[in-house]
Amino acid sequence: GENVEQHPSTLSVQEGDSAVIKCTYSDSASNYFPWYKQELGKRPQLIIDIRSNVGEKKDQRIAVTLNKTAKHFSLHITETQPEDSAVYFCAANLPWGDDKIIFGKGTRLHILP
Amino acid sequence: DAGITQSPRHKVTETGTPVTLRCHQTENHRYMYWYRQDPGHGLRLIHYSYGVKDTDKGEVSDGYSVSRSKTEDFLLTLESATSSQTSVYFCAISESRSATYNEQFFGPGTRLTVL
Repeated sequence: GENVEQHPSTLSVQEGDSAVIKCTYSDSASNYFPWYKQELGKRPQLIIDIRSNVGEKKDQRIAVTLNKTAKHFSLHITETQPEDSAVYFCAANLPWGDDKIIFGKGTRLHILP
Repeated sequence: DAGITQSPRHKVTETGTPVTLRCHQTENHRYMYWYRQDPGHGLRLIHYSYGVKDTDKGEVSDGYSVSRSKTEDFLLTLESATSSQTSVYFCAISESRSATYNEQFFGPGTRLTVL
């Protein structure tokens, strides 16, 4: 079945710098890759997603890239701000059967003042 | 936030007791999911439902059962709680299966402690 690996588990960056979180997946048939953000004590919420027919997608300071050949995708946050501090989860869909996704283990991002 | 509520929000129980967590949605979404979140493990799927009375197992289903008698309610039952089931439980919903897939909306979570 699908396996999603996420790195690093913890990341600290200076405010204003960029942050990159990387994920790999195992099933080459996966075609939907969402990213969720979970602030402390809150529920996970979708921040961006990408489908396999595109290689990159941007939304203001957030971008996601996908390399299907290498089976990896990454989240890029530019000009980081204190409110970016959270746990970020990548995920990949299970391409057959019902509408399920498998999550990575998460990255805790700390934005340092 | 999508119309998803979970009850109770916090529960402390003893080993061996039965526990039922409830997820209620007002979005009329077809798919409902139960996840558990543990440090170092991320979000793991316990069970999911693709319609009334239609349920299936996820990756960590042992020790859990579910029921869905109405579109809006999805119940998670721990028949005999164990300390290893101490966790934060999230319910999620999505509208339907489609070729482009749909966002999963999460409930606020239930923190369960099994002593």
